[in-house]
Amino acid sequence: SYVLTQPPSVSVAPGQTARITCGGNNIGSKSVHWYQQKPGQAPVLVVYDDSDRPSGIPERFSGSNSGNTATLTISRVEAGDEADYYCQVWDSSSDHLFGGGTKLTVL
Amino acid sequence: QVQLQESGPGLVKPSQTLSLTCTVSGGSISSGGYYWSWIRQHPGKGLEWIGYIYYSGSTYYNPSLKSRVTISVDTSKNQFSLKLSSVTAADTAVYYCARGRTGLNWFDPWGQGTLVTVSS
Repeated sequence: SYVLTQPPSVSVAPGQTARITCGGNNIGSKSVHWYQQKPGQAPVLVVYDDSDRPSGIPERFSGSNSGNTATLTISRVEAGDEADYYCQVWDSSSDHLFGGGTKLTVL
Repeated sequence: QVQLQESGPGLVKPSQTLSLTCTVSGGSISSGGYYWSWIRQHPGKGLEWIGYIYYSGSTYYNPSLKSRVTISVDTSKNQFSLKLSSVTAADTAVYYCARGRTGLNWFDPWGQGTLVTVSS
């Protein structure tokens, strides 16, 4: 079955750029979606179809996907961006699949 | 805008059946182009897709849970439901309902989630 691999944690200083990766076999051939989950809250879609943003999501959030790695990039990181981030794909063998999540810490 | 809200018992005994309902407001569950999903999150862990249903009643389940899961829809009440049978402590989790988009496969929006604890 298909597996998505995320780093458990990423740390970044305010104002810097955070990059959160999601690895998978030939993930570049799939559409990747990203969710932000703050403590005690439900996940919120922040990027869909690799690089599109839902309305209301700041332009600071962007995504890319190529080869075996998809990346969520958060520019000019703010304290309010501190959260868990999950990637998600649809795969014919696994249907909907989530990565293990990455905890973003703003130093 | 569409909103989803989970409801159901917060405590279920081992071996019994977990039952949850998701009420959709701000839009019709019968709208074409969407499916209605259940996703869970074990305490301190990641997200696990459980299954989904179309308003027509067609269902798709996570193979790892398929033998115990039933998802149904009640279009007259704008609700869909989850039943998970023969629960154990391993089924203790926050259960979310969410809307998916046919062919696009992302989930938005999500309900706030409800914690279900399996314990005697």
